[in-house]
Formats: sequence, C-alpha cells, structure tokens
Amino acid sequence: GAVVSQHPSWVICKSGTSVKIECRSLDFQATTMFWYRQFPKQSLMLMATSNEGSKATYEQGVEKDKFLINHASLTLSTLTVTSAHPEDSSFYICSACGTGGGDIQYFGAGTRLSVL
Amino acid sequence: AQSVTQPDIHITVSEGASLELRCNYSYGATPYLFWYVQSPGQGLQLLLKYFSGDTLVQGIKGFEAEFKRSQSSFNLRKPSVHWSDAAEYFCAVASYNNNDMRFGAGTRLTVKP
Repeated sequence: GAVVSQHPSWVICKSGTSVKIECRSLDFQATTMFWYRQFPKQSLMLMATSNEGSKATYEQGVEKDKFLINHASLTLSTLTVTSAHPEDSSFYICSACGTGGGDIQYFGAGTRLSVL
Repeated sequence: AQSVTQPDIHITVSEGASLELRCNYSYGATPYLFWYVQSPGQGLQLLLKYFSGDTLVQGIKGFEAEFKRSQSSFNLRKPSVHWSDAAEYFCAVASYNNNDMRFGAGTRLTVKP
C-alpha cells in the first residue's frame, strides 16, 4: 500500500522557536495533503488542506501565520509551527492522497511536539 | 457539513468475544466512510472503507463493517477479538473527492484476558 513518512516523530523545542515537520509520500504522488492536530485522548481535527503548488486552505480558527504549510512538490508537504508556545504542544498528523494512492487518505505516523 | 458520532467512548471486551463499534454519520450526499485504528503514539491505519456497492465491507485483521443508509450507520464488527486489537478506533466520513474528512471522537477498545 501507499506509504506516508512523517519526520520527525518527536520534537522538543523552546518557547519562541520555530519547528518544521515534513510529510512525504514515498511511493505515490500526493496531489493533496492534509494536516491534522490531535490532543490527548481526543479525535483528529483538520487544520488545513494543501494542494501541490497552491496555497493551503485553512480550517476556521487555525492561524495561518502560526502554522505555515508548504506543498512544494508532489511528494512533500511541510508544516512549520512558528514562534511555538506551550499551548502548541500536540500530536500533529499528516495524510496524503493522489494519483497512485486512489481516493484514500494515507496517514503518517505523526509528530509529537513538546514546547517547553 | 458532515459529522460523525461514535456513541461509545470506551468499550471493554474479553478476548475471543465478539465486538461491535458504533458509528453514525450525518452527510447530505452519498458519503465515503472509513474506519481507522490508532495505537498509542502512532498514526492511523486504514481498516476498511465504503465508497459504493456491497454494503458489507471486509477489511484487514478480520474486521468488517456494514453501511446502513436508512440508519445513517457504519458499524464495525469483529467476530472474535484478539488482545492485539486493543487500540483507539476512529470512524470518518469524507466527501466524494476525499477532501474534508471528519472524524468521530473515537472509541477506545480494551481487551481483557
């Protein structure tokens, strides 16, 4: 099946710094990628949808300037948490779908962000 | 907008017993329906999906789900649960182009020896 790799799996950073999370589709071209946030013991909340080569579409309530999403190629999307604060600590999960992956979203293993 | 309800936050079953996890959805058109499983600290693994056709869908790990349009339900079942099935299970609904996927709150499954 289609594989989505997410890196890093865990990151700890100081408050005020920026953190970049990568999401790669390894064996298919991802025309669309999604970024989710998951709080402990809660469900996934869609943050934004990105299509290759165009600006991401953010869900209501998600700060565009804090969560920068870039989908520069058909196999890579990045989420940058800018000026991170402790309240940004969470589990971030990406998914991808596109040609070769069919109509299914394939999920990465997630990134746990801890902001001190 | 679509939404998903998983009425059971936590279910405990004995190993070898049967399992049914409930999922109800709200969607104006024909939905794409999914069941995912998540182990602690991990991403989501697709168990099965329904797009169209046969309303009884077979998935991986011995799971199946039945789409019932009249009840707006897509319940997940397994005839005999294994200890390794203990995890969090999410039901999800998406539009036909798979955008705008919405997840239920999840059901945590505990398996007793």
